[in-house]
Amino acid sequence: QKEVEQNSGPLSVPEGAIASLNCTYSDRGSQSFFWYRQYSGKSPELIMSIYSNGDKEDGRFTAQLNKASQYVSLLIRDSQPSDSATYLCAVNRFGQNFVFGPGTRLSVLP
Amino acid sequence: GAVVSQHPSRVICKSGTSVKIECRSLDFQATTMFWYRQFPKKSLMLMATSNEGSKATYEQGVEKDKFLINHASLTLSTLTVTSAHPEDSSFYICSARALGLDHYEQYFGPGTRLTVT
Repeated sequence: QKEVEQNSGPLSVPEGAIASLNCTYSDRGSQSFFWYRQYSGKSPELIMSIYSNGDKEDGRFTAQLNKASQYVSLLIRDSQPSDSATYLCAVNRFGQNFVFGPGTRLSVLP
Repeated sequence: GAVVSQHPSRVICKSGTSVKIECRSLDFQATTMFWYRQFPKKSLMLMATSNEGSKATYEQGVEKDKFLINHASLTLSTLTVTSAHPEDSSFYICSARALGLDHYEQYFGPGTRLTVT
C-alpha cells in the first residue's frame, strides 16, 4: 500500500468551477499535511498547510483534514486557467521525512 | 514562506565530467535539506537527506559515490554529480526543512535542469 495516494488525473474543470483534489494517507501518526502546486517545468510551491481536523481557508483555497478517515483535500474555488498544474499532497510525522503523493494534474478549461 | 535558492538553474555538461549544484536557505537555518530528481511527467523521487555536519542518508538505489552530497553549513548543501552520463540528465530539486512554532515545513528551491551530452 502506497503511503500517500492521489488520483493522478487529469482532473478537468471549467473556469469558475470548484476543483476538488483528494489525498489519502496510511500513517495514522501523521501530524502535518501540506498541499504543493507544481507548474510544468518548475519546482513545487507550498500553498497550504493544515494540522488539525476541519477546514482551513486561504483566499480561493480551502484545505480539509479528516484524521479519522485519513484523508486531506484541497478545494479551489472560482478555478482559473492559471490554476492548471500538478498538485502534490504531502504528510509528515514530526521528526521524520515528508512523504509526497504522486500528484494530481488539474486542468482548468477556459 | 521561507526562501530556498538553487544554482545553477540550468547546466549542460559533457559526458564524464562532474557538475556541482548548490542549494541555499536564504532566510532561515536548515539542519536538514533534501535532494530530489524528477523526470518529465513523473513524480518527485527523493535521492538523499542531507544533514548539516554529518553524512547524507541516501535512498535505496541511489549511488552515494556518484551523487556526492555535502552539507557544510546550516544554509548550504551541495550535490555533485560525478562522471555524468546522459542518463543523469534530469531536473534536480533541493528542499530545506524549516521549523515553525511546532511543525516542520518544507520549501523547495527552483530546481536545476541538468543536460549531459
